[in-house]
Amino acid sequence: EAGVAQSPRYKIIEKRQSVAFWCNPISGHATLYWYQQILGQGPKLLIQFQNNGVVDDSQLPKDRFSAERLKGVDSTLKIQPAKLEDSAVYLCASSPDRGYGYTFGSGTRLTVV
Amino acid sequence: KNEVEQSPQNLTAQEGEFITINCSYSVGISALHWLQQHPGGGIVSLFMLSSGKKKHGRLIATINIQEKHSSLHITASHPRDSAVYICAVRVGGSQGNLIFGKGTKLSVKP
Repeated sequence: EAGVAQSPRYKIIEKRQSVAFWCNPISGHATLYWYQQILGQGPKLLIQFQNNGVVDDSQLPKDRFSAERLKGVDSTLKIQPAKLEDSAVYLCASSPDRGYGYTFGSGTRLTVV
Repeated sequence: KNEVEQSPQNLTAQEGEFITINCSYSVGISALHWLQQHPGGGIVSLFMLSSGKKKHGRLIATINIQEKHSSLHITASHPRDSAVYICAVRVGGSQGNLIFGKGTKLSVKP
């Protein structure tokens, strides 16, 4: 079974620039999560999708962050414009409709300079 | 107070030592996960528990639902076990979100 694919692996941008991350979950997994992990902290949920609908985006900074999962499969997370404090690892995870399994991608390490 | 507390925050051990990492939580959960994160960011799921005990190789995870406490043990530790170990609890059923602890940074010296 292929894992959760994320790209790019690393990204360095200047503040006020835009950036986009991509995630392809495990085939058949209905639920997709985007997490932000700042250095030294545990991951924090940004947004949760169930198929192509949003379940929870209460912690997504909507003035600059957006995410979509148009066909209920892969997803993109965008930051526009980026701030220094957005430097973090952005993790994507997916889980099936039934059961409690959770699979994480390798993450995208973003550095904003 | 965080909903998921891990201890210790940092742990240095000599190769071969028995290691214990603890996790306490204050919310009702449907499952608890132990995760391993190596430098570079990727997270690997080690265990998912809702009761009792699980063992995989040199790793053992236990959970006490009544006391809201879980432990991760590593027997005969090895330098390749060096990583951050994260406890995460699932709230709200099988489609619920994970709440993460801050992680325990383990360094095993040869």
